[in-house]
Amino acid sequence: DAKTTQPTSMDCAEGRAANLPCNHSTISGNEYVYWYRQIHSQGPQYIIHGLKNNETNEMASLIITEDRKSSTLILPHATLRDTAVYYCIGNFGNEKLTFGTGTRLTIIP
Amino acid sequence: EPEVTQTPSHQVTQMGQEVILRCVPISNHLYFYWYRQILGQKVEFLVSFYNNEISEKSEIFDDQFSVERPDGSNFTLKIRSTKLEDSAMYFCASSDPTSDYEQYFGPGTRLTVT
Repeated sequence: DAKTTQPTSMDCAEGRAANLPCNHSTISGNEYVYWYRQIHSQGPQYIIHGLKNNETNEMASLIITEDRKSSTLILPHATLRDTAVYYCIGNFGNEKLTFGTGTRLTIIP
Repeated sequence: EPEVTQTPSHQVTQMGQEVILRCVPISNHLYFYWYRQILGQKVEFLVSFYNNEISEKSEIFDDQFSVERPDGSNFTLKIRSTKLEDSAMYFCASSDPTSDYEQYFGPGTRLTVT
């Protein structure tokens, strides 16, 4: 799996867009970028994933650079319930997930 | 919306005892996983299971651990002789190979070994 690098922590004002960056310069051509989050001690929650194209679902948008060396997860209108640790993970699909330390996102009222 | 469920939510056991943690994956999923998270540490992979056999396991998953899918719905993790260091949150996950394998996690079982 590709090594990913994320900032340790970020703050975002409630109602604003939260933009979480991830560097994955060693990602392979057929390796997906997955985003998960963990709210307090709950089970990790799948958010979104992508390969080359930008993706959007009801939770977030994923912007992947053309060279695929980095990506940004966007939460368009952050709420207090989005406070969590966010993980960017490179994965070929049917494999174990290797969790790093992620980005601790705090939404500020 | 379908979800992964786990029982019990909290299990307290004495060192040396056997425990079985239970999971009901999402019904049409074919890949099953166990992860654990020691308090304050990263989520760690334990084992993956597909087609009624282990497909991958980590170094943590030694002879004290076993997994089983005894029927069409349950997926269990057994720890034969628990140690203090087995105290952790244990998460079950499942994935569907027809939709890019995103993994859906259960709420976890908190195992406390005394």
